[in-house]
Amino acid sequence: DAKTTQPTSMDCAEGRAANLPCNHSTISGNEYVYWYRQIHSQGPQYIIHGLKNNETNEMASLIITEDRKSSTLILPHATLRDTAVYYCIVSAGGSQGNLIFGKGTKLSVKP
Amino acid sequence: DSGVTQTPKHLITATGQRVTLRCSPRSGDLSVYWYQQSLDQGLQFLIQYYNGEERAKGNILERFSAQQFPDLHSELNLSSLELGDSALYFCASSVGQGNRELFFGEGSRLTVL
Repeated sequence: DAKTTQPTSMDCAEGRAANLPCNHSTISGNEYVYWYRQIHSQGPQYIIHGLKNNETNEMASLIITEDRKSSTLILPHATLRDTAVYYCIVSAGGSQGNLIFGKGTKLSVKP
Repeated sequence: DSGVTQTPKHLITATGQRVTLRCSPRSGDLSVYWYQQSLDQGLQFLIQYYNGEERAKGNILERFSAQQFPDLHSELNLSSLELGDSALYFCASSVGQGNRELFFGEGSRLTVL
């Protein structure tokens, strides 16, 4: 699975959009971009994933660049409950490999 | 609530002992995954089972073993425990064997004294 690079930490004001970047310059054509988050010591929570196209669900939006070498997770209106570690993971589907979590980005939403 | 149930939530034991962690996956999910999270190592993938069979192995020590039973619940057995095994152990489940949309339980916190 391709490696990802994320900033160690970020701050965001409550009510503003939180934009979390991720670089995955060695991503392969069959690899998806997944985002998970982990609120302090709780189990990680799936947020969203995508292959090429931008994706949106009730939690967030995922913007993938055309060359697929980077992506951005957008939380449109961050709340204090969005304070968590956000993991960007690149993984192929199918039975090959598994989700490999890196160190992620610690997002702190401040009032 | 992810629908994944892990027991016990907390466990304190001594070095050299053996413990069993249990996981019940979401209804309908056939895959079960085990992850270990310690302060210095982050989330480490240990092992995956799909419908009772081992599918993938990660950084799982030989002192650790797991199995998935016909009712799809899974157990992670940790033996000859060392201080360094103190960690949060998460179980996750998914519908298929290649699905990456995992649903995680709340974890079992193991403390080895």
